[in-house]
Amino acid sequence: GNSVTQMEGPVTLSEEAFLTINCTYTATGYPSLFWYVQYPGEGLQLLLKATKADDKGSNKGFEATYRKETTSFHLEKGSVQVSDSAVYFCALRDPYRAGSYQLTFGKGTKLSVIP
Amino acid sequence: NAGVTQTPKFQVLKTGQSMTLQCAQDMNHEYMSWYRQDPGMGLRLIHYSVGAGITDQGEVPNGYNVSRSTTEDFPLRLLSAAPSQTSVYFCASSDRVNTEAFFGQGTRLTVV
Repeated sequence: GNSVTQMEGPVTLSEEAFLTINCTYTATGYPSLFWYVQYPGEGLQLLLKATKADDKGSNKGFEATYRKETTSFHLEKGSVQVSDSAVYFCALRDPYRAGSYQLTFGKGTKLSVIP
Repeated sequence: NAGVTQTPKFQVLKTGQSMTLQCAQDMNHEYMSWYRQDPGMGLRLIHYSVGAGITDQGEVPNGYNVSRSTTEDFPLRLLSAAPSQTSVYFCASSDRVNTEAFFGQGTRLTVV
């Protein structure tokens, strides 16, 4: 079946540090890939997405590239801010699977950015 | 835009009680789903629906029922609450064209 593995947290960084959160996936077909962000006390919001190999999703200074050869979708940001403190989820949607609207999530990575 | 609305935001139940978590969306999305979020477990799919009158089980369906009588609403029923159902519950919706899922704000449920 499909699965998503992302790096364990929590991750603590100083403001303006470089961020990488690793994400790898297993899927039977050619999934769409997503990063969702959850700020404290809120629901999940889509941060960025990529729907085919070599696509780069970007938003709010975050980027992730769909790497089919390594089945990865690592999240990066060049300079984090305190306001980026949140839990980040990597997820996939496999259009070739029955019930293809389903999202498969990683376990989440909590990021804390300190001034 | 309201998007996906969940009620209530917080709820405390006693073991054995029943209740319904409400979810409504105003985007005319075909697909709706319920997830539970537990520490260290990420989000796990409970039930989902691909349209009015059609529902199916997800990864962790036991102890929960759903129905979808309209496109807009997708309530989640706890039949007899157990402490293991203490969790944060999220409803989400999406459509056939846009792969993005929209989430509600969540319901934090505690079963004592």
